[in-house]
Amino acid sequence: QLQLQESGPGLVKPSETLSLTCTVSGDSLDGSSYYWAWIRQPPGKGLEWIGTIYYSGSTYYSPSLKSRATLSVDTSKNQFSLKMSSVTAADTAVYYCARGLFPNTMVPFNYWGQGTLVTVSS
Amino acid sequence: QSALTQPPSASGSPGQSVTISCTGTSRDVGTYNHVSWYQQHPGKAPKLMIYEVSKRPSGVPDRFSGSKSGNTASLTVSGLQAEDEADYFCVSYAANNDCVFGGGTELTVL
Repeated sequence: QLQLQESGPGLVKPSETLSLTCTVSGDSLDGSSYYWAWIRQPPGKGLEWIGTIYYSGSTYYSPSLKSRATLSVDTSKNQFSLKMSSVTAADTAVYYCARGLFPNTMVPFNYWGQGTLVTVSS
Repeated sequence: QSALTQPPSASGSPGQSVTISCTGTSRDVGTYNHVSWYQQHPGKAPKLMIYEVSKRPSGVPDRFSGSKSGNTASLTVSGLQAEDEADYFCVSYAANNDCVFGGGTELTVL
């Protein structure tokens, strides 16, 4: 049974960098041929795709966040990560990591982590 | 402002059917059949209900169905049940390896 678990600081100061990690169990990132994504949801609002990484390290980003978001993968730890720079209060959200349903296909997202709330505040 | 347009709310009585629309453009819904729908209960992660416009993952009741016409995709929930009350989001693959979400529709079972 595939499980994803987000982890990272719940509070980040404005202008600093948000760093989150998604730990995967029940599947191996190395050579898995799946796409792994980060999606966020501001409180009381809709979902927003941040970006997606392939196990090989190829990355794809939302045009609106591309300048601030960086995705990476660590196959030795079976984790993938998100870094978002220069955060503001608008980046306050529940951040989810997710995996695609089929190999080699970016969407749909079938497996989701439980989500982690990140608040940007001084 | 979300890339895909959904009505903010929809409602129906138990046993009735309700349809939720998701309108995009020719760079997403109108060109690609990678449209999916997600159900989200408060405080929970989204759950995949429909993928590739009209396919249901294993375990999703056949009361849920999807379709597409032009730039608009639709989710229909038939035989409404109390547990269907939730937020519903559409997602589409878009040109240049982009992925766009709808703003979400709050479904109320009256």
